[in-house]
Amino acid sequence: GAGVSQSPSNKVTEKGKDVELRCDPISGHTALYWYRQRLGQGLEFLIYFQGNSAPDKSGLPSDRFSAERTGESVSTLTIQRTQQEDSAVYLCASRSHYNEQFFGPGTRLTVL
Amino acid sequence: DQQVKQNSPSLSVQEGRISILNCDYTNSMFDYFLWYKKYPAEGPTFLISISSIKDKNEDGRFTVFLNKSAKHLSLHIVPSQPGDSAVYFCAASAKTGANNLFFGTGTRLTVIP
Repeated sequence: GAGVSQSPSNKVTEKGKDVELRCDPISGHTALYWYRQRLGQGLEFLIYFQGNSAPDKSGLPSDRFSAERTGESVSTLTIQRTQQEDSAVYLCASRSHYNEQFFGPGTRLTVL
Repeated sequence: DQQVKQNSPSLSVQEGRISILNCDYTNSMFDYFLWYKKYPAEGPTFLISISSIKDKNEDGRFTVFLNKSAKHLSLHIVPSQPGDSAVYFCAASAKTGANNLFFGTGTRLTVIP
């Protein structure tokens, strides 16, 4: 596709349930990032994938959060036992050789 | 600890006038800075960037100024247009191609027709 796509666009879940968010990066982009934006706050880095290197998980807020990426394609962000403070817009971005990251439209997660 | 700060949550400007959005950072290791624009229900889109070896970068109506000694950068939009109304995020990285960007909290720009 022409840009980064994310699904679902909106997700409402109950506290304690697991959710899985998907990101399809721009074809050929080797780097993939996950961020989240909570209400009234800036973008918060979560995790970074670069090729076959070990991911940089330094931004994950707790062990309930995990992410995988298959090669240089799709990535999934999984949040286990969701809490209300997990409510946010989760953004995925991919990057080629340059520094600009291209963002997807985000998944709005609401935990009731 | 917010390493990139945008202290003005909102800014209103008349169409045709200059918009100036400000950003401050605390990490002296940052050497690459970007501005992103975000419309509602969309992801941020890259607007303009500047490396620390420069103090100015211009692209059409958009100019970014960097003052390393003050750890301050600004985005100038002139002339401002109603379509520029969006949230603008400042971002920084510690080295080109770094793992992640540090983002500010954003400034909502409203250009009044």
